[in-house]
Amino acid sequence: EVLLVESGGGLVQPGGSLRLSCAASGFTFSTYEMNWVRQAPGKGPEWVSYIGSSGSTIYKDSVKGRFTISRDNAKNSLYLQMNSLRVEDTAVYFCARRGAAVAVYDYWGQGTRVTVSS
Amino acid sequence: DIVMTQSPDFLAVSLGERATINCKSSQSVLYSSNNKNYLAWYQQKSGQPPKLLIYWASTRESGVPDRFSGSGSGTDFALTISSLQAEDVAVYYCQQYYSTPRTFGQGTKLEIK
Repeated sequence: EVLLVESGGGLVQPGGSLRLSCAASGFTFSTYEMNWVRQAPGKGPEWVSYIGSSGSTIYKDSVKGRFTISRDNAKNSLYLQMNSLRVEDTAVYFCARRGAAVAVYDYWGQGTRVTVSS
Repeated sequence: DIVMTQSPDFLAVSLGERATINCKSSQSVLYSSNNKNYLAWYQQKSGQPPKLLIYWASTRESGVPDRFSGSGSGTDFALTISSLQAEDVAVYYCQQYYSTPRTFGQGTKLEIK
């Protein structure tokens, strides 16, 4: 069974930092492309960042230079380092697996909540 | 960025009746070289993450009941539930994967009338 379990969310002041983690199991993590997708309260999902199986990365414009996605294939884990956090970064952050054959998000974790507030 | 716009925002349908949700993209998501529409639908129940229902605009994900169907091409798409069941109460999102950034619609909340 594919499982994705996020952790690391919490309450942080504007300008602060958080590091999110996603523990993957039930599939060969190293061969899959992974993503972070966030969802602000009452809004639709919003893609944030992508990392390929080889480590290539892509970011949403509004997080470039502030967020860093990474992976540790030996630990079957995905990370998102978030610096210079803004109020508008407040959301539930999901890790999501890209399908093997189709570029959709075929499995999602339960999410971790990030609240940026003073 | 491709903007995805869904209609309606809210939909109330009686049990056993048909429900149709529409999605319009700001530019075509049909890739001419393979004639595929890069459009997916997700279902999100309260307190849960989104669940993939349909991709390539009309291909059901494994395990998705056949009362769910997708249609459309180019810029106009629809998700139809042929006979609404109580467990279908959720918010539904369309998403394009034609270009980066991948973008989602604002969602359609489906309730029982």
